[in-house]
Amino acid sequence: DTEVTQTPKHLVMGMTNKKSLKCEQHMGHRAMYWYKQKAKKPPELMFVYSYEKLSINESVPSRFSPECPNSSLLNLHLHALQPEDSALYLCASSGTGRGTGELFFGEGSRLTVL
Amino acid sequence: AQTVTQSQPEMSVQEAETVTLSCTYDTSESDYYLFWYKQPPSRQMILVIRQEAYKQQNATENRFSVNFQKAAKSFSLKISDSQLGDAAMYFCAYRRNNAGNMLTFGGGTRLMVKP
Repeated sequence: DTEVTQTPKHLVMGMTNKKSLKCEQHMGHRAMYWYKQKAKKPPELMFVYSYEKLSINESVPSRFSPECPNSSLLNLHLHALQPEDSALYLCASSGTGRGTGELFFGEGSRLTVL
Repeated sequence: AQTVTQSQPEMSVQEAETVTLSCTYDTSESDYYLFWYKQPPSRQMILVIRQEAYKQQNATENRFSVNFQKAAKSFSLKISDSQLGDAAMYFCAYRRNNAGNMLTFGGGTRLMVKP
């Protein structure tokens, strides 16, 4: 199984809503990532979890709250978002040892904030 | 900090022809990976090819090959016998070889394939 599964694929929310994006992998990877991608731009790193602990937070606003309940799951909780937060949110996972270079990406969750 | 530069925002190739996408990077590290990812309109990022910096031999995956010039910090992607399904955004990416380190992406090159 070499898949990273993200749900939902599409999400529309108002600025006062609370919603969550979910990501799951069963490759035994112990590093998981959230990226944000605007149209025609490269993905921008938001968070990195390594062994279920937050290891990198790229100065993301607190209205984005990541959570890693176990080694297979990664959530991104959304609250009081702004229209400029509309984007494609990509989850990825990777191994953590030497020789485990590539990241495996999910299909993304397309978020629209009204 | 590492930077990755793709100088070609768009490229076009005729079906069955060969095209080369350029990528340069800047790093002070000696141990790292380089990747080419493809992102079709379906939006999933798919790994095309990877190169480990300590390997001098250029990586090859079927119709895809790289020209890795470590001293020049250049990492170009050659696509041979281009197919309509190759049309996508292509991102060059760098990753330091260490646990939990993130990818640094270039700005991307949109490849169009003409039938």
